[in-house]
This record gives sequence, C-alpha cells and structure tokens, in this order.
Amino acid sequence: QKEVEQDPGPLSVPEGAIVSLNCTYSNSAFQYFMWYRQYSRKGPELLMYTYSSGNKEDGRFTAQVDKSSKYISLFIRDSQPSDSATYLCAMKTVGNQFYFGTGTSLTVIP
Amino acid sequence: KAGVTQTPRYLIKTRGQQVTLSCSPISGHRSVSWYQQTPGQGLQFLFEYFSETQRNKGNFPGRFSGRQFSNSRSEMNVSTLELGDSALYLCASRSAGLAVRETQYFGPGTRLLVL
Repeated sequence: QKEVEQDPGPLSVPEGAIVSLNCTYSNSAFQYFMWYRQYSRKGPELLMYTYSSGNKEDGRFTAQVDKSSKYISLFIRDSQPSDSATYLCAMKTVGNQFYFGTGTSLTVIP
Repeated sequence: KAGVTQTPRYLIKTRGQQVTLSCSPISGHRSVSWYQQTPGQGLQFLFEYFSETQRNKGNFPGRFSGRQFSNSRSEMNVSTLELGDSALYLCASRSAGLAVRETQYFGPGTRLLVL
C-alpha cells in the first residue's frame, strides 16, 4: 500500500463548477499537508499549505484536513479554464520527509 | 526573490551516456532535494542535500548521485543512462531553518529523454 493515495482522474468539469480533489494517507507521522498545482511541462507550484485539522481558505481554494480519518481535500470554487492542471497532494513529517500523491489531472471546459 | 532554477531545461541523451543536471535554490535556502517524475510513478524522491552533505536518500540505484556546493547549488549525475531514466527531474529547495512548518519549492525541472 502506498503511503499516499490519490485518484489520478482525469477529471473534466464545466467552467464555474466546484471541484473536489482528495487524498488519503496511512502514516500517522504526517503532520503537514500541501497541495501543489503543476501545469503541463512545468514544475509543481505550491498552492496551499496547512498543518491542522479543519479548513483553510485562500480565494477560490479551500484545503480541508481530517487527521482522524487520514483524509485531505482541495476544493476549487468557480473553476476556471486556467485551473486546468495536475494537482498533487503532499505530506510531510516533522522530520521533513515529503511524500507525494501521483496527481489528479483536471480539465475545466469553457 | 528569484525562484529555484534548473539547467538545462531539456536534454536528449543515448543509452550508456552520462548526464549532469544543475539546480540553484532560492537564495537563503540550504536544503536541496531531487525528484524523478514519470507518468506512471509520479514524484519519486532521489536524495536531499544540506550543507554539502547528503541527508536522505531514496530507493534509486547507485547510478544516481548528487552533490551540493558551499553556495547551496546542487548537481545531480546519472551514469550509464537507461531508457527508463527518461523523466522530468525536479529540484526543490527549502530553508531548512528551525521552523518545522516550512515547506519546499520546486524548480521548473529538466526533461531528460534517453534514446
């Protein structure tokens, strides 16, 4: 079993839709949670970073962490064609070991 | 601040050759990590360098090696290239200070194609 599981998609939604991206994990040592956005042929770009259970909002993006269920989500409201990218979840231990999901490919159709 | 930079951006090599990739971290960042990204495997950790010392290592063969210089710049070398080494190689840096909540920032990657 992988440390981090992420549905690869692909996910295709119409413009304006609410998008939900999810990851599950098995290691209780993960204390810090990130979402990266990666456009085609580019490096991953940090989108959201949170370290406690609950919600963190930044514009149209909301990151949600449920440590008891070992489940994290990223919600994108009012999705735009420019949101079309691969979204990677990432997790970090206190000892700075990073683990990544395989990424979910998202296409927002105008 | 300038972001993480990687050179070259694209490389084409043939089997058996060797290759060296370069990474310049964000100014002030002391830790550099390298990852291999392929469509099937996602991001796989290669190694991390801090203060010119390898701190962590992933599960890759000895053909993959790296080093870090006193200015925190890092190089990664792959010897005896195989077709399966074709991938996007990403470098990520973090400050490696006292804050445990810090995260890492990625460069644009070097896309390596082995023929």
